[in-house]
Amino acid sequence: NAGVMQNPRHLVRRRGQEARLRCSPMKGHSHVYWYRQLPEEGLKFMVYLQKENIIDESGMPKERFSAEFPKEGPSILRIQQVVRGDSAAYFCASSPEDRAYSYEQYFGPGTRLTVT
Amino acid sequence: TQLLEQSPQFLSIQEGENLTVYCNSSSVFSSLQWYRQEPGEGPVLLVTVVTGGEVKKLKRLTFQFGDARKDSSLHITAAQPGDTGLYLCAGANTDKLIFGTGTRLQVFP
Repeated sequence: NAGVMQNPRHLVRRRGQEARLRCSPMKGHSHVYWYRQLPEEGLKFMVYLQKENIIDESGMPKERFSAEFPKEGPSILRIQQVVRGDSAAYFCASSPEDRAYSYEQYFGPGTRLTVT
Repeated sequence: TQLLEQSPQFLSIQEGENLTVYCNSSSVFSSLQWYRQEPGEGPVLLVTVVTGGEVKKLKRLTFQFGDARKDSSLHITAAQPGDTGLYLCAGANTDKLIFGTGTRLQVFP
């Protein structure tokens, strides 16, 4: 299966702990995106990365959140000192280099973060 | 701020009925995508439309992009219980997708 992989699928953290969410894009895809879906709300863009570069982080909260997509390995979304309001489903998506103006993105199954 | 409004928000129908979901915006988009999301899963891409007035068919699903590229519709013919799910439209002018408010469809046997 060459789909977008995310792990863990479920993550429980206590307030103040760190959460690390991982995403492996589809084979051949070099663009990675992170979105957040809060309970009863729509999907909201967080950040767009290419290998070793953050292209657009306009949707990222200013504090505690960071993302990276290293040369080797998966993309990581890190949330430091989690609070209850961070509880949500976090989705990663990827797209190929030759997407032209279609901007097609393929989503992973998501990581459901619960902060207790 | 670009917004995409979907209607209806909820739809419950019997198997075999037809339905249309609308996605409207005051903004022009380079492309528009439709996704279906099931509980506990990520959105699955159904179709991408890029040309004003474009119509695409996927079995019993027909997608249309408005001439002005501000709106789109999804029509399902003879709905089946397997069509149940959350339908999302998403517009793009850059790599940042703007998602619609969603239409939750329930098809009863």
